[in-house]
Amino acid sequence: GAGVSQSPSNKVTEKGKDVELRCDPISGHTALYWYRQSLGQGLEFLIYFQGNSAPDKSGLPSDRFSAERTGGSVSTLTIQRTQQEDSAVYLCASSLNGGYQPQHFGDGTRLSIL
Amino acid sequence: AQKVTQAQTEISVVEKEDVTLDCVYETRDTTYYLFWYKQPPSGELVFLIRRNSFDEQNEISGRYSWNFQKSTSSFNFTITASQVVDSAVYFCALKGTGTASKLTFGTGTRLQVTL
Repeated sequence: GAGVSQSPSNKVTEKGKDVELRCDPISGHTALYWYRQSLGQGLEFLIYFQGNSAPDKSGLPSDRFSAERTGGSVSTLTIQRTQQEDSAVYLCASSLNGGYQPQHFGDGTRLSIL
Repeated sequence: AQKVTQAQTEISVVEKEDVTLDCVYETRDTTYYLFWYKQPPSGELVFLIRRNSFDEQNEISGRYSWNFQKSTSSFNFTITASQVVDSAVYFCALKGTGTASKLTFGTGTRLQVTL
């Protein structure tokens, strides 16, 4: 596709449920990133993929958060046993090959935990 | 540790006024890149510009201009003759060297342009 695609756009779920967020990067981009944007914390880095490997997972807030990337393309961010503090907009970005190339962002998934 | 500070939380201007958004950064890296992104009400972060630490030449692109000064660790962004469509949250971001390839963002400046 022309840009980074994220689904769903919005997700409302009950506390304690698991959720999966999907990101489809720009075709040909080897680097993929997940960020979280919330009112209190601003834009926070979560995880970085180069191909299918994740050399930097330092931003994942707890072991309830995990992510994978398959085929060097689509990535899934999974949050287990969701808590209310997980409510945020989850943004995915991709860049041509990591490094200093600009990151291009998707529209995000707005996650609301009831 | 890297840090980006955008001290201006919110700015309101009347259309056609010039406005400058401030960005101050901290890093121990000698090679780094600075970025500006725009986030309109629709929510998508839009890349505006990238600057590397060795290039202090100021840049102008249409109504936008950027002033990078290493001596003061600043990378300010000016919009000339602002328009209502410029209303958005603007983020400054930093990427240093090393294996970590993440962007460190400032907290953003919300710009409101009114008629």
